[in-house]
Amino acid sequence: DAGVTQSPTHLIKTRGQQVTLRCSPKSGHDTVSWYQQALGQGPQFIFQYYEEEERQRGNFPDRFSGHQFPNYSSELNVNALLLGDSALYLCASSKTGATNEQFFGPGTRLTVL
Amino acid sequence: SQKIEQNSEALNIQEGKTATLTCNYTNYSPAYLQWYRQDPGRGPVFLLLIRENEKEKRKERLKVTFDTTLKQSLFHITASQPADSATYLCALDSGSGGGADGLTFGKGTHLIIQP
Repeated sequence: DAGVTQSPTHLIKTRGQQVTLRCSPKSGHDTVSWYQQALGQGPQFIFQYYEEEERQRGNFPDRFSGHQFPNYSSELNVNALLLGDSALYLCASSKTGATNEQFFGPGTRLTVL
Repeated sequence: SQKIEQNSEALNIQEGKTATLTCNYTNYSPAYLQWYRQDPGRGPVFLLLIRENEKEKRKERLKVTFDTTLKQSLFHITASQPADSATYLCALDSGSGGGADGLTFGKGTHLIIQP
């Protein structure tokens, strides 16, 4: 049973560019959450998707947007990249109505130059 | 605003001893509190969840306590081993979404178990 997978593993972009990160949830899970983790910090909640809709959102600007597909996979898009967007982007999946634990993927390391 | 504090400095413990990590929070009333382990360059791994009406939870060598009056959780690893060395994250969950909510994480405590 594959866990949460994310692609790509690493990404280098320049300021002003746009980036798309991808996530496939654990089998049987229907909810996907995205987090940003800067070096030395804990993960910060970006948003959560359920039934292809954004259900919750953290304190992030609307340069950060997302999408969930019918197969529950998800994308995170970031426009007009800033140097401060450099971080590890984590995807977590869970099953609504089950326990509240979240299963995290290995993350995508984004570097903005 | 919500604030979560964990031991800001690395915690060095001798192998075989009990490691105790602290998580304090303010301006928050979580329905659940979760602990995760994170190794360098990897995603967090779920360890334990404790509900607001539970005082203590155990799993093998791990024990978590939750005091909603003090707004504090303690995480214990007994008979610690070098393989327990990692960063441990405390996370608060409001439990309001009818399922897993977006978690609010602390910065984490870096635990080092010395042989």
